[in-house]
Amino acid sequence: GAVVSQHPSRVICKSGTSVKIECRSLDFQATTMFWYRQFPKQSLMLMATSNEGSKATYEQGVEKDKFLINHASLTLSTLTVTSAHPEDSSFYICSARGGQSNEKLFFGSGTQLSVL
Amino acid sequence: SQQGEEDPQALSIQEGENATMNCSYKTSINNLQWYRQNSGRGLVHLILIRSNEREKHSGRLRVTLDTSKKSSSLLITASRAADTASYFCATDSNDYKLSFGAGTTVTVRA
Repeated sequence: GAVVSQHPSRVICKSGTSVKIECRSLDFQATTMFWYRQFPKQSLMLMATSNEGSKATYEQGVEKDKFLINHASLTLSTLTVTSAHPEDSSFYICSARGGQSNEKLFFGSGTQLSVL
Repeated sequence: SQQGEEDPQALSIQEGENATMNCSYKTSINNLQWYRQNSGRGLVHLILIRSNEREKHSGRLRVTLDTSKKSSSLLITASRAADTASYFCATDSNDYKLSFGAGTTVTVRA
């Protein structure tokens, strides 16, 4: 099956620093990737849709200048949390559509961000 | 945006018992999918059922879909300790995005 690799798995940083999270599709090309945020014991909240070679599409209420998304190639999307603050602490997960019919989502293993 | 509502929120069962969880949604869909998430990990796709299907099986999993009631159920038969996880339904409409339900946390006691 399709494999999505996400790094790092855990980040602890000081308030005010920027953090970059990478999401790679290892054995397939992903023209579209999705970035989610998840709080403890809650569902996934879609933050943005990352489109290869064009601007990301952000969901309502998600600050595009705060969460920078770059999808420079068919296998790599990055999410940069700029000037992180404690309230940005969360579990961030990326995914991409893949499989025979492109209907299923394949997920990275997630990144736990803790901002001190 | 979150479309699905799942119940129960949490379920605790004995190994060997069956686990059933339900998902309701609001808008028309192309398909409905179930995913599993182990604590602190990404989600894993379990099964997909299309809007013109009523029931689907995959190993110990059985999924039903009732589009008239806008609801789906996931049954895990003969549960094992390794089935302990959170389970999410996700609806696929026409906007290329999946909307996830709130999830059901299943604990299987040995």
